[in-house]
Amino acid sequence: DAGVTQSPTHLIKTRGQQVTLRCSPKSGHDTVSWYQQALGQGPQFIFQYYEEEERQRGNFPDRFSGHQFPNYSSELNVNALLLGDSALYLCASSLWGSRTGELFFGEGSRLTVL
Amino acid sequence: AQSVTQLGSHVSVSEGALVLLRCNYSSSVPPYLFWYVQYPNQGLQLLLKYTTGATLVKGINGFEAEFKKSETSFHLTKPSAHMSDAAEYFCALLRSARQLTFGSGTQLTVLP
Repeated sequence: DAGVTQSPTHLIKTRGQQVTLRCSPKSGHDTVSWYQQALGQGPQFIFQYYEEEERQRGNFPDRFSGHQFPNYSSELNVNALLLGDSALYLCASSLWGSRTGELFFGEGSRLTVL
Repeated sequence: AQSVTQLGSHVSVSEGALVLLRCNYSSSVPPYLFWYVQYPNQGLQLLLKYTTGATLVKGINGFEAEFKKSETSFHLTKPSAHMSDAAEYFCALLRSARQLTFGSGTQLTVLP
């Protein structure tokens, strides 16, 4: 049973560029959430997708956008990259109907912006 | 507002000693609380969770945590530290919108 998979694992971009990160949820899960973890900090919630719609959004600018596909996989897009966008981006999957809200995390995509 | 505070960004213990990582929460509704562990260059792994019921929760790798409503705490303990326990530990609170609010983390160092 495959867990949450993310790609790419590492990438380097320059300021002003755009990046797309990808996530496949754990088998049987229908909800994908994205978190940003800056160095030395706890993860911060970016947004959550269910039924191909953004359901919740954290305090992130519109440069951060996402998508969920019919197979439940998801993409995170960041436009006009800033140095401060350098972070580990974590994808988490869950079951929308779960009462306990347990999240399963992937190993992350580490983005470096130069 | 719902929030989580982890006391101590760095904790060092000797191998075989008690591990105690502190977490306090603020929540206007009964909380669902989690502890996650993160090894270097890896994602987050769930150690244990509290939802309802028994206030002493046992998790993986010998860790446990006790929910104390009167103290708004959910401290993580392990009786005897192993070298393999060295990692960063995050306490998290489930908000009503199915999103987790994380503490800032505690880096655990285990000394030989």
